[in-house]
Amino acid sequence: AQSVTQLGSHVSVSEGALVLLRCNYSSSVPPYLFWYVQYPNQGLQLLLKYTSAATLVKGINGFEAEFKKSETSFHLTKPSAHMSDAAEYFCAVSDYQGAQKLVFGQGTRLTINP
Amino acid sequence: DAGVIQSPRHEVTEMGQEVTLRCKPISGHDYLFWYRQTMMRGLELLIYFNNNVPIDDSGMPEDRFSAKMPNASFSTLKIQPSEPRDSAVYFCASSLRAGGYNEQFFGPGTRLTVL
Repeated sequence: AQSVTQLGSHVSVSEGALVLLRCNYSSSVPPYLFWYVQYPNQGLQLLLKYTSAATLVKGINGFEAEFKKSETSFHLTKPSAHMSDAAEYFCAVSDYQGAQKLVFGQGTRLTINP
Repeated sequence: DAGVIQSPRHEVTEMGQEVTLRCKPISGHDYLFWYRQTMMRGLELLIYFNNNVPIDDSGMPEDRFSAKMPNASFSTLKIQPSEPRDSAVYFCASSLRAGGYNEQFFGPGTRLTVL
């Protein structure tokens, strides 16, 4: 069965600092991997996704993530945090076989300090 | 496009009452998903439909929960009778086509409180 582990339920960084949100996955088949962001009182919005085309994936709002098969990781980074990045971030894995089901991690709440 | 539309946005009800949550997917999307979000269990997939047909309902917690999709533009999630432990945010999402790589578009959610 597929699973996702997000290390750190809460991450706090200063404005302008590097953002690093960690995600490790478990999958018996080549996975599709996603990062979603949830702003307060809103639904989830796709930040970026890995579909095997390239290991370094660039998303919206300056975020990117690198797929590392050897480490079974898909960490999300942003070089310089902005106050508007404060939100909850979810990593998710999907079955290559196309079962459509997304399995989400528990989420990481990102706080930006001025 | 207006995106995925959910109603109501907030629902407060008393234990034992029937609750119906509604969802309108993005036009042309073939897949519709219902999720539940709680602090304890995170985001859980309850059920999903393909072309209005339920494909996987293994996440539906118990018989008190039921979901229907009578046409391509409307789905309901019903809880009868409701219990306090059903309090959560319920999200509806839709996606365009088959393939696990396709993005799911989420609605704003319905925050359900069962007293």
